[in-house]
Amino acid sequence: EIVMTQSPATLSVSPGERATLSCRASQSVNTNLAWYQQKPGQAPRLLIYWATTRATGIPARFSGSGSGTEFTLTISGLQSEDFAVYYCQQYDNGGTFGQGTKVEIK
Amino acid sequence: EVQMVESGGGLAQPGGSLRLSCAVSGFTFSNYWMHWVRQAPGKGLVWVSRISSDGNIITYGDSAKGRFTISRDDAKNTLYLQMNSLRAEDTAVYYCARGVVGATVFDYWGQGTLVTVSS
Repeated sequence: EIVMTQSPATLSVSPGERATLSCRASQSVNTNLAWYQQKPGQAPRLLIYWATTRATGIPARFSGSGSGTEFTLTISGLQSEDFAVYYCQQYDNGGTFGQGTKVEIK
Repeated sequence: EVQMVESGGGLAQPGGSLRLSCAVSGFTFSNYWMHWVRQAPGKGLVWVSRISSDGNIITYGDSAKGRFTISRDDAKNTLYLQMNSLRAEDTAVYYCARGVVGATVFDYWGQGTLVTVSS
C-alpha cells in the first residue's frame, strides 16, 4: 500500500498570508494526486486533482504542484473560510489519503 | 444541482449487518463510477470501495474485503453498501462519492451517514 505523509500536522497562519502544505508519497504516484478541504461537520470538498488541476469553482488562490513523491498545496492570501483540514490523496494505486493538515488561525 | 443523500446508518452489534444507501440526483448516475469513503470519529479519510459505471468492475480497500459488498441500481439512481461481520473499528461516517471520469478522485460527496458498531 502506498503511504501518504502530510506535513505539518498543524499550520498556524494569519489571514492574508500564504500557506504551504506538503504531501509525500512512499513511492512514485506520478501526478495522480488530489487535495481536499474539510470543515468540521462537513463532507470533504475536492480542490485539486492531477496534482495541479483546480476543480470546478475552486478559487485561483489554491494551487497545486509536484510529481512523483513530493507535492505541495499552496493557498495564497488565506481567507477566513480557508481555515480547515486539508487532505492529500493518491490514486495511482487504489486511493490512500494522508492524515491531514489542519490550517488554523494564528 | 448534484445531490447525494446517504441513509441506513445507525447502531449495529459486533458481527451484525447494515445496508447503506445513497440516493443521487442532478446527474446521469449510470455514467459515473461511484465510491464509498469512510471517516472514523476524529480521524482521517479511508477509501472503502468503488463500482464502475456499468457495474462490472468492483474494487475494495483492505478494510472492506470479504465483508462489504458494493452495488448499484441505475433505475433507482441509488448506490448501496452491504456491510456484514461488522467490527468496532468499522465505526465511522460513511460517505458516498462520485468519481471523476478516469480517476479514483471524488468530485461530489454526500453528507455522510454514521455507523456505530457497539454492544
